[in-house]
Amino acid sequence: QKEVEQNSGPLSVPEGAIASLNCTYSDRGSQSFFWYRQYSGKSPELIMFIYSNGDKEDGRFTAQLNKASQYVSLLIRDSQPSDSATYLCAGGGSQGNLIFGKGTKLSVKP
Amino acid sequence: SQTIHQWPATLVQPVGSPLSLECTVEGTSNPNLYWYRQAAGRGLQLLFYSVGIGQISSEVPQNLSASRPQDRQFILSSKKLLLSDSGFYLCAWSVGTGREAFFGQGTRLTVV
Repeated sequence: QKEVEQNSGPLSVPEGAIASLNCTYSDRGSQSFFWYRQYSGKSPELIMFIYSNGDKEDGRFTAQLNKASQYVSLLIRDSQPSDSATYLCAGGGSQGNLIFGKGTKLSVKP
Repeated sequence: SQTIHQWPATLVQPVGSPLSLECTVEGTSNPNLYWYRQAAGRGLQLLFYSVGIGQISSEVPQNLSASRPQDRQFILSSKKLLLSDSGFYLCAWSVGTGREAFFGQGTRLTVV
């Protein structure tokens, strides 16, 4: 069973701090990884994707991928209360379809 | 630009009633289309995916079915709903397998 694992949280950080969200995956054939943000009652929204080992930065967001360790992370710098949401990690499985983790709930306290 | 439409937004249905949820995509051709379900406190479960008209793959055996009558139309159906069918149903599209998926607004289904 190919899986993507995330700590369910909640992860609580103060406003302005760095939030660090982590994800591990079991399918070594996965080549692509995605981070989605989901506000309560809403559908998931793509915020980052990463295909290569290393870091990828987009504004306040940095995605990190380590294929040897089968580990993906998302850093959110200068966290804002509006970043409070559930963050879903997904891997592009070797069968092609995305496999989602259950998500980590992030709470940013003013 | 591409957009995805999914309706209705909320639905309350009695046990044993039929279901039809529709999803359409605009601004792209031959997309991969997906139906996911998200139950309370659980992750996204892939129900069906389609790589072309009339091509449907089922990931989980259940009393639901899917159809793709047109290139950019994906329909989720049931003949008789169960209480366990309650959840948040999401349609999504992507340009290909292993690529990022974009979600519709979702349908909150409550079976009573």
